[in-house]
Amino acid sequence: RKEVEQDPGPFNVPEGATVAFNCTYSNSASQSFFWYRQDCRKEPKLLMSVYSSGNEDGRFTAQLNRASQYISLLIRDSKLSDSATYLCVVKRGGATNKLIFGTGTLLAVQP
Amino acid sequence: DTGVSQDPRHKITKRGQNVTFRCDPISEHNRLYWYRQTLGQGPEFLTYFQNEAQLEKSRLLSDRFSAERPKGSFSTLEIQRTEQGDSAMYLCASSFSPGDPNFGYTFGSGTRLTVV
Repeated sequence: RKEVEQDPGPFNVPEGATVAFNCTYSNSASQSFFWYRQDCRKEPKLLMSVYSSGNEDGRFTAQLNRASQYISLLIRDSKLSDSATYLCVVKRGGATNKLIFGTGTLLAVQP
Repeated sequence: DTGVSQDPRHKITKRGQNVTFRCDPISEHNRLYWYRQTLGQGPEFLTYFQNEAQLEKSRLLSDRFSAERPKGSFSTLEIQRTEQGDSAMYLCASSFSPGDPNFGYTFGSGTRLTVV
């Protein structure tokens, strides 16, 4: 079982739709949580950090449930430019602070 | 350009050849990470440096792989006797420690390796 699990999709949605991605992680010692965005054949780029209190950045809302070890990302009013792979990422604590990535969820926003 | 730089962007090599990739991190970042990403997968951790010290290596990093960061600045990743299974995107990332734990890494554009 992978340490970070995501539905690979693809999610095909029309412009303007609201779409939600979910992710679970297995290591309860995980310290920090992120969503990264990756365009085709490009490097991953940080979309937003995820906090237990929930946080919002424009059309994007992220939630963390530490008890259930569950992370979510909600995108409202989808744009064509939102089409990408969304990677759920956890950071372990301790000396390494390495990031552990999920396989990513592919979003395709249709005109 | 003050981001993470990787060179080359693309590399095609014949099976059995050796290849070396370079990563130049953001200058004030003391931590440097190498990841590998294959099609349809998320990036997988390979190894990590704090300054010049290599502090962790994944079991994915076989004996054919070696990484160095000799002066705590740029890093190289060498693959000896390449195999077709080594074909992947090799990503370098850097970060600063101690720092905000809620701050992720900055990735370079990657080196795409194709072994034929």
